[in-house]
Amino acid sequence: GIQVEQSPPDLILQEGANSTLRCNFSDSVNNLQWFHQNPWGQLINLFYIPSGTKQNGRLSATTVATERYSLLYISSSQTTDSGVYFCADNLEGGSQGNLIFGKGTKLSVKP
Amino acid sequence: DAGITQSPRHKVTETGTPVTLRCHQTENHRYMYWYRQDPGHGLRLIHYSYGVKDTDKGEVSDGYSVSRSKTEDFLLTLESATSSQTSVYFCAIKGSGVLSGNTIYFGEGSWLTVV
Repeated sequence: GIQVEQSPPDLILQEGANSTLRCNFSDSVNNLQWFHQNPWGQLINLFYIPSGTKQNGRLSATTVATERYSLLYISSSQTTDSGVYFCADNLEGGSQGNLIFGKGTKLSVKP
Repeated sequence: DAGITQSPRHKVTETGTPVTLRCHQTENHRYMYWYRQDPGHGLRLIHYSYGVKDTDKGEVSDGYSVSRSKTEDFLLTLESATSSQTSVYFCAIKGSGVLSGNTIYFGEGSWLTVV
């Protein structure tokens, strides 16, 4: 089945720094999404981005479907950005909610 | 906020007892999902529903059943809880409409401990 690999697994930043998180897929990209899980466990959808680039405030994401990867950029990081970032996609032909998740990147932003 | 409410949010139960988790949504979404999250395994799909009385199995459905008798409620039942079902359970919906048609939104989670 589809493999989703995220890097780096852990990341520690000083407040104000920028970072790039990466997600590689073993199969074609269908309905790629990025999520943030905050320290209280809440899962927030950041982007639905099967291709192209989107921006939302200090966050932006780019998916290059032909090369099977996606990047999440965090600029001017804040302590509230801490948590785990997941990318996920579903199997081609499968239900669009049957997401396969990566293991996540754990981000810690220090004040 | 996609109008998703999970209940209970926290529960401790004994091995062998039945447990039902409820997911309630207020925005008439067709697709609803139950995931579990475990250390080392990440998030995995248990069951999903694509309409009233229409459900299907996900990756880790053994030991679980679901029901959807009305659009707004999707119930997850552990017929006889086991310690391996100690987990955090997330309900999710698939958005609808032009702007968010394929976007998945999660509820706040239900922490279940089976002792």
